[in-house]
Amino acid sequence: DIQMTQSPSSLSASVGDSVTITCRASQGIRDDLGWYQQKPGMAPKRLIYGASILQGGVPSRFSGSGSGTEFTLTISSLQPEDFATYYCLQHNTYPVTFGQGTKVEI
Amino acid sequence: EVQLVESGGALVRPGGSLRLSCAASGFVFSRYAMHWVRQTPGKGLVWVSYINGDGSKTDYVDSVKGRFTVSRDNAKNTLYLQMNTLGVEDTGVYFCARDLVAWGQGTLVTVSS
Repeated sequence: DIQMTQSPSSLSASVGDSVTITCRASQGIRDDLGWYQQKPGMAPKRLIYGASILQGGVPSRFSGSGSGTEFTLTISSLQPEDFATYYCLQHNTYPVTFGQGTKVEI
Repeated sequence: EVQLVESGGALVRPGGSLRLSCAASGFVFSRYAMHWVRQTPGKGLVWVSYINGDGSKTDYVDSVKGRFTVSRDNAKNTLYLQMNTLGVEDTGVYFCARDLVAWGQGTLVTVSS
């Protein structure tokens, strides 16, 4: 199985800050990676697919980059509604696997 | 509007069985692959199973192979997950997801004696 190592597991930031979350795949997955946001009691919401393509309706302050084994999600100018948990997901090879999550806290 | 509504979650004893359902609307159900994903309380997400649009192809995470069966009824726009020989490790909120893009709100399965 492909392991997705996500870091950090949590971070504290302020409104207006820029934050970066990293996912590392245990083997190459091309750009078969998505980033998801989850708020308490809610279903995950896909923000990014294809490693860098913004899902429709997602604010442009979210961006993704990377290919192969190293990927990043950047949130520029954090807004109050961005405080949530973020997950990466690879779908290059089954089983689909998620990163462990990054909780972004105030 | 795409809607996915899970049901069937319950408290069940170890060794028991349960069938989850996911009612879909707002899109042509038969055209899309569907997934089940589990979230353990307070923890992360684990992909559980996949089924393609016509139901001819399925896949499972190793920990449920031989115990869980995913199926679909395209005439009823409904996805199912038959869960047998349940263990405490199967406890969690089960989400159905269309293409891992649109997700339902989940149904809670608790396996406990």
